[in-house]
Amino acid sequence: EPEVTQTPSHQVTQMGQEVILRCVPISNHLYFYWYRQILGQKVEFLVSFYNNEISEKSEIFDDQFSVERPDGSNFTLKIRSTKLEDSAMYFCASTAYGANVLTFGAGSRLTVL
Amino acid sequence: AQSVTQLGSHVSVSEGALVLLRCNYSSSVPPYLFWYVQYPNQGLQLLLKYTSAATLVKGINGFEAEFKKSETSFHLTKPSAHMSDAAEYFCAVRRSSNTGKLIFGQGTTLQVKP
Repeated sequence: EPEVTQTPSHQVTQMGQEVILRCVPISNHLYFYWYRQILGQKVEFLVSFYNNEISEKSEIFDDQFSVERPDGSNFTLKIRSTKLEDSAMYFCASTAYGANVLTFGAGSRLTVL
Repeated sequence: AQSVTQLGSHVSVSEGALVLLRCNYSSSVPPYLFWYVQYPNQGLQLLLKYTSAATLVKGINGFEAEFKKSETSFHLTKPSAHMSDAAEYFCAVRRSSNTGKLIFGQGTTLQVKP
């Protein structure tokens, strides 16, 4: 069964450093998403991406965050200058056009020290 | 605005007992509703979904959920719990008119005792 693949599975970084989280969505999917889950809290929507542009973003997704689809397969989330409160599990998801269900990756755990 | 409330952050049942995980939603438009499961150190896996067809929805691993518009509920049930069902369960909602942006509940951790 097709999967959404995320790398790295765990990254530890120092506060103020840039981090890039990578995702390979399912190949025929057209909509891409990032969600995050701070430890012990609910899963929160960050951003959706379609046709090479952001279609919707939450108030969490401020100027420190950016997304990119640099080639035909990868979808990345960049955090420019990490803060302690960015420590969370970040989930990538994708879905096909007209589909109802998002397929999630296994997540990338980010720890900011 | 849409929202989801899961009653009970922790539910503990004995193996073989009924599992009932509660979810209530708020939506001003017809919703799509989902239950996802997260096993330890894994991602979110779809259990089942309601997309305005049958109100009783069957999912994987013997789980089912019933959409009750009058109660704005979408509770998840399983007649007989297995040890392998121990996980965190998330209810989620989204507008039928958009293609993403799930709104998740707080999650319910299911513990299954032998």
